Amino acid sequence: GENVEQHPSTLSVQEGDSAVIKCTYSDSASNYFPWYKQELGKGPQLIIDIRSNVGEKKDQRIAVTLNKTAKHFSLHITETQPEDSAVYFCAASSTDPGTYKYIFGTGTRLKVLA
Amino acid sequence: EPEVTQTPSHQVTQMGQEVILRCVPISNHLYFYWYRQILGQKVEFLVSFYNNEISEKSEIFDDQFSVERPDGSNFTLKIRSTKLEDSAMYFCASSSYRINSPLHFGNGTRLTVT
Repeated sequence: GENVEQHPSTLSVQEGDSAVIKCTYSDSASNYFPWYKQELGKGPQLIIDIRSNVGEKKDQRIAVTLNKTAKHFSLHITETQPEDSAVYFCAASSTDPGTYKYIFGTGTRLKVLA
Repeated sequence: EPEVTQTPSHQVTQMGQEVILRCVPISNHLYFYWYRQILGQKVEFLVSFYNNEISEKSEIFDDQFSVERPDGSNFTLKIRSTKLEDSAMYFCASSSYRINSPLHFGNGTRLTVT
């Protein structure tokens, strides 16, 4: 079945440094890739997404890149701040005939050290 | 900004009891979902719902589970006879469109089965 792998599972960076989280998906028909941030006690919140017709998208300190050939996509956070500390999930759309859902990665716990 | 609301935030129940988890999706959204997250693990798809019927369900969503949209605003998940392994965070989500549309999650209900 469809699968999304996410690495690393935990990531600690110094405040001001960059953080990169990587995901690999298995369904070559996936064409939508959202990233969610989950803070303690809350539901996942969308922070950025990318569609398969675009290779890169940026929103202030956050960027996402997509390599469709390799079935990789990555989240880049620059100039990290303590409030960036959270669990980040990647997801990929699953487009098997007759179905539609997101498959989530296993999550990355990001700690930004002040 | 409109948001998905879930009640209760925490539910404790005894094994074998029935529970109903409630959600109010964003008002103009048409697609509704339940996801589950066992502590420290990834977000898992349970069921999607559109036009007053289930669109798709996962293997987790067995006969013990049911969903309902009893009126124009609420969306409920019922677990008929809870098991210890049903203990998890349950997230409701909604989206405007079926394909390539961000999911908007609620803050979840933490279900503890004792």
